[in-house]
Amino acid sequence: DTGVSQDPRHKITKRGQNVTFRCDPISEHNRLYWYRQTLGQGPEFLTYFQNEAQLEKSRLLSDRFSAERPKGSFSTLEIQRTEQGDSAMYLCASSLERGGFSYNEQFFGPGTRLTVL
Amino acid sequence: AQKVTQAQTEISVVEKEDVTLDCVYETRDTTYYLFWYKQPPSGELVFLIRRNSFDEQNEISGRYSWNFQKSTSSFNFTITASQVVDSAVYFCALVIRAQKLVFGQGTRLTINP
Repeated sequence: DTGVSQDPRHKITKRGQNVTFRCDPISEHNRLYWYRQTLGQGPEFLTYFQNEAQLEKSRLLSDRFSAERPKGSFSTLEIQRTEQGDSAMYLCASSLERGGFSYNEQFFGPGTRLTVL
Repeated sequence: AQKVTQAQTEISVVEKEDVTLDCVYETRDTTYYLFWYKQPPSGELVFLIRRNSFDEQNEISGRYSWNFQKSTSSFNFTITASQVVDSAVYFCALVIRAQKLVFGQGTRLTINP
């Protein structure tokens, strides 16, 4: 399978616990994005990486959230001290950008559904 | 600021009917890209089409067609002869300066047999 993969697919946790999600992008893709989608809404941007550099973070990403892409390949998204409001689908996407204005489509993974009790 | 509006929250039609999903966008940039994605019940977003701001040519792909009009800032999506398998949530999205996608709220399309 050469698509974007995410692990786990589902996570149930108690409020106050820490959780970590993993995303493996399409292998040659240099950009990796994280989005959050709540019920009945479109995905909202959280952050993105160009190779290993984190280039932008949304104001949605509070201090409890941290994302890494240590070797420019897979990425992790950690949420500390989870709150019920963090319950959502966390989506990862990747794309191949060659610079200039040519912008390629993002390919999405299946998502990780987080439920905070 | 950039914004995408999909005013139709839900649409329900009978199979074989044609259906158009509306998308209106806002941006001050003159260079941007527009996208449509499909999200079936399984949840994974599936890319359908990309269009850049310099290309207003309409596109047809099988039963799908897209109408891009810069004058009205719209990028509408039509499914001809709809099928039950078209049932999904459809999202329109905007990108400027090759960065994040800004999504609309989505239109839930139900095709009834």
